[in-house]
Amino acid sequence: GENVEQHPSTLSVQEGDSAVIKCTYSDSASNYFPWYKQELGKRPQLIIDIRSNVGEKKDQRIAVTLNKTAKHFSLHITETQPEDSAVYFCAASRLGAQKLVFGQGTRLTINP
Amino acid sequence: DTGVSQNPRHKITKRGQNVTFRCDPISEHNRLYWYRQTLGQGPEFLTYFQNEAQLEKSRLLSDRFSAERPKGSFSTLEIQRTEQGDSAMYLCASSRTQETQYFGPGTRLLVL
Repeated sequence: GENVEQHPSTLSVQEGDSAVIKCTYSDSASNYFPWYKQELGKRPQLIIDIRSNVGEKKDQRIAVTLNKTAKHFSLHITETQPEDSAVYFCAASRLGAQKLVFGQGTRLTINP
Repeated sequence: DTGVSQNPRHKITKRGQNVTFRCDPISEHNRLYWYRQTLGQGPEFLTYFQNEAQLEKSRLLSDRFSAERPKGSFSTLEIQRTEQGDSAMYLCASSRTQETQYFGPGTRLLVL
């Protein structure tokens, strides 16, 4: 079955700098890759997603890139702000399969 | 609030007792998912419903676990004869399409 690896497990950056979180997946049939943000004690919230027919997607300060050949995708956050501090999870799923397979999470801390 | 709701938010029980959790999905969503999340890990898929039909179950879902969605609206997850290893956050998600899943706030279970 699908396996998703996420790195790093913790990331600390200065406010205003960029943050990058990387994920690799094992199932070449996976074609949908969402990213969720989870603040302490709160529900995972979808922040951006990408489908396998595109290589990059942007939404304001957040972007996701996908390399299908290498089977990895990355989350990029620019001009980081204190409210970006949270745990971020990547996930993957494939057409016909209903479940999301999540990475282990990255705890992002933005230092003022 | 038109998001996914879950009740109770917290449950403390003694080992061996039965517990039941409820999930109310977003009203127009016919797909409903249950996940389990332990501390420091990403959510793990448990089971999936499309309308009232339970179409997929994870091997994580032992015979002590049962889920229902009797009228294709709310769902319940029951754990019988709870064990300490069942302590986790139980998350429900719903979706209208195969892809974008919206999560509820979760039910945190502690088995003493």
